[in-house]
Amino acid sequence: EVHLVESGGGLVQPGGSLRLSCAGSGFSFSNFRMNWVRQAPGKGLEWVSHISSGGLTMYYADSVKGRFTISRDNAKSSLYLQMNNLRDEDTAVYYCAREIPFLPQFDSWGQGTLVTVSS
Amino acid sequence: DIQVTQSPSFLSASVGDRVTITCRASQGNSSYLAWYQQKPGKAPKLLIYAASTLQSGVPSRFSGSGSVTEFTLTVSSLQPEDFATYYCQQLNSYHRTFGGGTRVEIK
Repeated sequence: EVHLVESGGGLVQPGGSLRLSCAGSGFSFSNFRMNWVRQAPGKGLEWVSHISSGGLTMYYADSVKGRFTISRDNAKSSLYLQMNNLRDEDTAVYYCAREIPFLPQFDSWGQGTLVTVSS
Repeated sequence: DIQVTQSPSFLSASVGDRVTITCRASQGNSSYLAWYQQKPGKAPKLLIYAASTLQSGVPSRFSGSGSVTEFTLTVSSLQPEDFATYYCQQLNSYHRTFGGGTRVEIK
């Protein structure tokens, strides 16, 4: 069974940094593109970032470009999101999601980790 | 970025009703469109991908149609467990943008 577990969320002050992790199991992690999606309290889903299966190609939403960095370690079946210069508006539940190639879709999601940016 | 507009943002319906949600992309050249269902406090769940392909395990009362820039999600007979928020997502570009969501509530 596919399993994705996020960790690393918490309370951080504006301007601070946080690193999220997503551990994958039950599938061949290195074969799949991965994404981060976030959801601010009471709001809709916002795609944040995408990384190719080999980790060489990354894309970012304009709202986080230059501040967030997505990476992965296929040997550890893990996905990461380094978040720097955090703002109040980055407060959200952050989900990692597996992407199926060829007919793209986000077929598996983690349970999410809450990031709160507040002084 | 491709903008994705969903309508309506809210709808009130009764058990047994037929419900349709529309999603429009600002540009597109494929059927790379997915639909998700989300219940409070839970992660989204994939319902439909490639505009009209039902994800394994999803009830057949859910269906999707459309192509290029206009898509619809239909629930043929709304069940109590279907009251939730629904999102469409375009995957035609690497910026995998979501629609704003449609909250379906019990009338």
